[in-house]
Amino acid sequence: DVKVTQSSRYLVKRTGEKVFLECVQDMDHENMFWYRQDPGLGLRLIYFSYDVKMKEKGDIPEGYSVSREKKERFSLILESASTNQTSMYLCASSPLDRRSGNTIYFGEGSWLTVV
Amino acid sequence: AQSVTQLGSHVSVSEGALVLLRCNYSSSVPPYLFWYVQYPNQGLQLLLKYTTGATLVKGINGFEAEFKKSETSFHLTKPSAHMSDAAEYFCAVSPTSYDKVIFGPGTSLSVIP
Repeated sequence: DVKVTQSSRYLVKRTGEKVFLECVQDMDHENMFWYRQDPGLGLRLIYFSYDVKMKEKGDIPEGYSVSREKKERFSLILESASTNQTSMYLCASSPLDRRSGNTIYFGEGSWLTVV
Repeated sequence: AQSVTQLGSHVSVSEGALVLLRCNYSSSVPPYLFWYVQYPNQGLQLLLKYTTGATLVKGINGFEAEFKKSETSFHLTKPSAHMSDAAEYFCAVSPTSYDKVIFGPGTSLSVIP
């Protein structure tokens, strides 16, 4: 089974803190993603990466950055956390394989509260 | 631009009743289509997907969906709802296997005993 592991399920951080959300996948997938999920807004793509050291902005990149130094690991960074970044963050991965039909595999999510 | 519409942000059904969750998409080409389920406090899990071939797709937990190109729809059904089906359901579309996947806003399913 594909496993996408997010290092922290629940975090509470203070406004202005630098926050790191870590994600590791064990299936050698080329693509990795960070989404944010908020009630009534569904899933919104923050950043994605299709290769090591490569990244592209998603729909809502402001206030976030990412790092992908190794293929299996994709980190989301909040440079200076703000209360409007309180949310559920979902990491995901997918293979670069036409046969998979672009299937995305998700981690269990990280609940971040900024106070 | 691609988009996905899910009719009804909340759907309630009685246990044992038919489940019907609606999904319509906009795409200029026959797309890849997905249904994901999210149980409380968990990530999303793939229920089923349509890539090519047979338009009626069977998934896990007794769910199925039918791709209707003429209606640009991919509705999700289950003949008999179970309490454990209570969850959030997301429809998603990707124009090709190399394009971004676009998610719908989600439908919350409640099952009444």
